[in-house]
Amino acid sequence: AQSVTQLDSQVPVFEEAPVELRCNYSSSVSVYLFWYVQYPNQGLQLLLKYLSGSTLVESINGFEAEFNKSQTSFHLRKPSVHISDTAEYFCAVAYKGGNKLTFGTGTQLKVEL
Amino acid sequence: GAGVSQSPSNKVTEKGKDVELRCDPISGHTALYWYRQSLGQGLEFLIYFQGNSAPDKSGLPSDRFSAERTGGSVSTLTIQRTQQEDSAVYLCASSTVWTGGGPTRETQYFGPGTRLLVL
Repeated sequence: AQSVTQLDSQVPVFEEAPVELRCNYSSSVSVYLFWYVQYPNQGLQLLLKYLSGSTLVESINGFEAEFNKSQTSFHLRKPSVHISDTAEYFCAVAYKGGNKLTFGTGTQLKVEL
Repeated sequence: GAGVSQSPSNKVTEKGKDVELRCDPISGHTALYWYRQSLGQGLEFLIYFQGNSAPDKSGLPSDRFSAERTGGSVSTLTIQRTQQEDSAVYLCASSTVWTGGGPTRETQYFGPGTRLLVL
């Protein structure tokens, strides 16, 4: 069965510092990979996704994630965070041709001044 | 356009009562999902609907849980004889379906959720 591990439940970081949110998945077949974000008092929304092709994917607000097949990882990074990035971030995986997403337990990113 | 809507936003019920949660997907989205988000846990898949196909119920935790989707649009999740462990946020999502096969590469659009508290 698919599983997603987000080892860090909380990540505090100062504004303008870099951040990496870790995500590892277990799968022996081809997968799609996603990062969803949940801002305070808002619903989940897609941040970025990897379907195929270039292993580095980027979002419009400066986040990027790299698909590493050998390490079964899809870590999320941002070189300089902003207060507005404070949110909970969920990594998710889906089998190609499957019906569902399997989510990790989430990482709470707290950006401080 | 309008996003996914869910009602009620909050529901408090007594143990043993039945509850119904409603989801209105984005117009034109043929795939609809229900997830559950419990405290300290990730999102747990419950059920998936796609068009007129039989739903994927593999995530339903017990036979007290059921869901239907009428007319390929609105969906209702019903929990019978609620238990305290059913307390959670219930999220609905909808998406298009990739014509090349399978919905899972498509972005899922989530509703705001229904926060259920069973006393």
